[in-house]
Amino acid sequence: EIVLTQSPGTLSLSPGERATLSCRASQSVSSSYLAWYQQKPGQAPRLLIYGASTRATGIPDRFSGSGSGTDFTLTISRLEPEDFAVYYCQQYGSSPQTFGQGTKLEIK
Amino acid sequence: QVQLQESGPGLVKPSETLSLTCTVSGGSVSSSTYYWGWIRQPPGKGLEWIGTIYYSGSTYYNPSLKSRVTISVDTFKNLFSLNLSSVTAADTAVYYCARLPFRPYNWFDPWGQGTLVTVSS
Repeated sequence: EIVLTQSPGTLSLSPGERATLSCRASQSVSSSYLAWYQQKPGQAPRLLIYGASTRATGIPDRFSGSGSGTDFTLTISRLEPEDFAVYYCQQYGSSPQTFGQGTKLEIK
Repeated sequence: QVQLQESGPGLVKPSETLSLTCTVSGGSVSSSTYYWGWIRQPPGKGLEWIGTIYYSGSTYYNPSLKSRVTISVDTFKNLFSLNLSSVTAADTAVYYCARLPFRPYNWFDPWGQGTLVTVSS
């Protein structure tokens, strides 16, 4: 099973700043089969990125994903107030598909 | 656009079977393009994939839960279901259903709103 480790656990930033979230895999993720989700309190996760770098439908271009192999990054170029939430990465290259433990992005 | 809605009991006794249904609207579970999955999230914790089903009935389960999980599909009612047997307090979680494109292991989009199931006597 591939273990995904997200860092930092909590990221405190102000609106307008740039956020960089990391997701590291215990083994190489085949074909960059990695997704990112945003989850707000009391809501279901929302798909942001799949294939490591492809934005899902309707996702603003301030969200971008990059990486390959074992190291992946989600970048939010300029934080909007609605971006403060928990972010999860997920690998679907091998079974069982697994999620990271999450990074909480909070307002500084 | 497609919407998913979970339903089922919010409280299950230990050792019993948890049963949930996911009703699909605005789309068909019989589509050859999509798979359908279940994911859970214990309160305050992360996400765990439970399993995935195709309209043909082919299933794919997380090995950690495989001995207790059954997922089925009803193409006539346009829904799929989850049964988890011999539950304990560790199975208390919000259970989500979601759609996967093209492959049984893929990203999840969209998700249902989720339903909280508490295991307690």
